[in-house]
Amino acid sequence: LAKTTQPISMDSYEGQEVNITCSHNNIATNDYITWYQQFPSQGPRFIIQGYKTKVTNEVASLFIPADRKSSTLSLPRVSLSDTAVYYCLVGGPYPSGYSTLTFGKGTMLLVSP
Amino acid sequence: DTAVSQTPKYLVTQMGNDKSIKCEQNLGHDTMYWYKQDSKKFLKIMFSYNNKELIINETVPNRFSPKSPDKAHLNLHINSLELGDSAVYFCASSQGQGGFYGYTFGSGTRLTVV
Repeated sequence: LAKTTQPISMDSYEGQEVNITCSHNNIATNDYITWYQQFPSQGPRFIIQGYKTKVTNEVASLFIPADRKSSTLSLPRVSLSDTAVYYCLVGGPYPSGYSTLTFGKGTMLLVSP
Repeated sequence: DTAVSQTPKYLVTQMGNDKSIKCEQNLGHDTMYWYKQDSKKFLKIMFSYNNKELIINETVPNRFSPKSPDKAHLNLHINSLELGDSAVYFCASSQGQGGFYGYTFGSGTRLTVV
């Protein structure tokens, strides 16, 4: 199972770009990287998913280098409402989907005015 | 039009009691889950059902018994509640097994055992 490592916490100010890196040295060939966001008192919600290079949606960008041993979630111009815990999951379709059942401790992002 | 709804949102009960939490999803997903998030915020899988069949049971005490009457519902019954059961319990669903397919979570049930 691919193990992930993320910073426990990060601080930022409104309007800045925030990059959260996740290390996954033993990622498997058919594994994808999926990021979730959890606000206080809510369940996690899907943000973005990628396999390699760069993926962008209306919320974030995901950068994955060629060796895929790490990935970076980029949040452009954060606001106070981006304060949340961000989780990186690594895994793929069944049967390797089992590894994505487990959430690590995530990265607590605190955005200040 | 809530996609995954759990009831109740809050549950305060005494040690030794039996309680149930209900979950329903209207997304047509074939897999449902129960997760437990304790005070340290670690989110741990408890159970996973696929089309009403139990496929994951992660070393959870026998006092916890999930039941899935159909693929849209997954309930959690807890017998003989203990102080350590206090946590937030999240129900989730996905089309396919695991976070790869994109979980949709409910808003959680905060269980407090006193």
